[in-house]
Amino acid sequence: DIQMTQSPSSLSASVGDRVTITCRASQNIDNFLNWYQQQPGKAPSLLISDISNLQSGVPSRFSGSGSGTDFTLTITSLQPEDSATYSCQQSFSAPLSFGGGTRVEI
Amino acid sequence: QVQVVESGGRGVQPGGSLRLSCVASGFTFSSCGMHWVRQAPGKGLEWLAFIRSDGSDKYYADSVKGRFTVSRDDSKNTLYLQMNSLRTEDTAVYYCATGARRDSYTFFYWGRGTQVTVSS
Repeated sequence: DIQMTQSPSSLSASVGDRVTITCRASQNIDNFLNWYQQQPGKAPSLLISDISNLQSGVPSRFSGSGSGTDFTLTITSLQPEDSATYSCQQSFSAPLSFGGGTRVEI
Repeated sequence: QVQVVESGGRGVQPGGSLRLSCVASGFTFSSCGMHWVRQAPGKGLEWLAFIRSDGSDKYYADSVKGRFTVSRDDSKNTLYLQMNSLRTEDTAVYYCATGARRDSYTFFYWGRGTQVTVSS
């Protein structure tokens, strides 16, 4: 089974800051890495698929990068509405798995 | 537009059973794989189960294997999760999710979730 390790588990940043969240897979997952955003009390929503494909409607300040086992979600110029929990997920093989999540506070 | 709506969550005693439902619309349900994901209070997301579009394959997380069963009724555009031998640690919000495209392992669409509470 593939384990996903995400760091940090939480962070606090200011409006306008650049924020980086990392996700590491226990084995090579090629480009099968997705990022989700979850606002408090809401269902998760897909932010980025396949490492770097920004979903429709997602602001361009969000970006994803990486390959193989190491991946990064970057938010440039953090905005108040970005306060949420971000989770990575491997879609390479079942059983599917998520990282533990990163809570971003503004 | 694509929509999935879960129902069936409620309070239940340890050892009890429950069946969750997820009604889908806005896409060709019979052509798409479907997933269940849960989130325990204050915890991260946990993938639970997947059923292939034709029902030929079902995969489960170790934490629910042998206790939970995923099924589908394409005539009703409905996904099910039969949960038996429930434990207190099964308390969570349960989400139905899909890629709405073949048998995707990416969760493009999510429901709002249904709350399951296991307590004596």
